[in-house]
Amino acid sequence: GEQVEQLPSILRVQEGSSASINCSYEDSASNYFPWYKQEPGENPKLIIDIRSNMERKQIQELIVLLDKKAKRFSLHITDTQPGDSAMYFCAAKGSSSFSKLVFGQGTSLSVVP
Amino acid sequence: AQTIHQWPVAEIKAVGSPLSLGCTIKGKSSPNLYWYWQATGGTLQQLFYSITVGQVESVVQLNLSASRPKDDQFILSTEKLLLSHSGFYLCAWRDWPNTGQLYFGEGSKLTVL
Repeated sequence: GEQVEQLPSILRVQEGSSASINCSYEDSASNYFPWYKQEPGENPKLIIDIRSNMERKQIQELIVLLDKKAKRFSLHITDTQPGDSAMYFCAAKGSSSFSKLVFGQGTSLSVVP
Repeated sequence: AQTIHQWPVAEIKAVGSPLSLGCTIKGKSSPNLYWYWQATGGTLQQLFYSITVGQVESVVQLNLSASRPKDDQFILSTEKLLLSHSGFYLCAWRDWPNTGQLYFGEGSKLTVL
């Protein structure tokens, strides 16, 4: 299968705390896992990605973890700020240029003061 | 640096009318180009992809068609719009075979009445 499941669909956290979004995928051939952030009315923007040869990647307050055995990956935003409020999408892709990038259903994150 | 531009930014069209959405990319020769559709509040669904001029592959049938008339141009069209065509249309290019990362254009918001 090609599906990517993303949870939760809605996430509300206090400013300064951490936010975690989890995704699972079906295609064991998937080897590329990007995360996109989408503000209302705007296009999705790539914020961080991880490949299957890594288990962990961090860019500033963003941490992604990949568990290939369980076919799960996750995004963790540490020390959340109001500017982190947005829709977040995970995605998974196979190794060839023809493989489709399959997106999760999205998570609406709200960071409240 | 590569830039991707979509037009129009927004359209309001009547059911049964024709549609043409355009996308151009500058700064990248022979780009892999994609059309995605996003329902309001929904996830991103790949519609078409093209790896070269004159060649387009359909991923999902939504009574839409796509063409690649030039290396830097990707067109999405239909002769008869349906209500279900409303949504956000995003053109994207993939940095293949370098990083493999996918970058979206600003998008075209379509409302069908």
